[in-house]
Amino acid sequence: GAVVSQHPSWVICKSGTSVKIECRSLDFQATTMFWYRQFPKQSLMLMATSNEGSKATYEQGVEKDKFLINHASLTLSTLTVTSAHPEDSSFYICSANRDRGQGSLAVDTQYFGPGTRLTVL
Amino acid sequence: DQQVKQNSPSLSVQEGRISILNCDYTNSMFDYFLWYKKYPAEGPTFLISISSIKDKNEDGRFTVFLNKSAKHLSLHIVPSQPGDSAVYFCAAFVSGTYKYIFGTGTRLKVLA
Repeated sequence: GAVVSQHPSWVICKSGTSVKIECRSLDFQATTMFWYRQFPKQSLMLMATSNEGSKATYEQGVEKDKFLINHASLTLSTLTVTSAHPEDSSFYICSANRDRGQGSLAVDTQYFGPGTRLTVL
Repeated sequence: DQQVKQNSPSLSVQEGRISILNCDYTNSMFDYFLWYKKYPAEGPTFLISISSIKDKNEDGRFTVFLNKSAKHLSLHIVPSQPGDSAVYFCAAFVSGTYKYIFGTGTRLKVLA
């Protein structure tokens, strides 16, 4: 259990284009999902908290118009990097908290997707 | 301000010996702590967690110790195996917020 997938696993795009990354919880429902960004040899930095049915909550310094988040269902959240530039190149990782009442998975544990490597040329 | 710190960026251990990874935190409101293992270009994999009401939690070869007074936790892996070689992150949060704060990671290398 606790499988979270991300698609695509890697993407290369031209500067100025938009890129959409999908995050799915495959075997559990997740009202809350999270988007992180990791630069080389650095820690995971929380970008935003994605809530099904409501607007995402962005961390300080993260441009919400730049990084659009849509939590379309209890198993899917998307992150769209709009008008991407080379400085947006990074490793983007999502995670999901399982909703209560869904078996043995710990409620307070975030389960992470495999990540998406974005390279903007 | 780095609320969760892993002061050792790397650690090398012989196969079969104990690996001890350390993590310090500054926010006394944190009441739940986790350890994740991460390979390059992959997402973190959950290893073990501990709530602040406990001082020890064990799962197979992995044991996490929590010293609240020192605001310190550690992950013990025994015996260490070459497959344990990865970057280990500790994370902390305040229950109900779900906002994890990650440490900077420690790269463990287990030598065969």
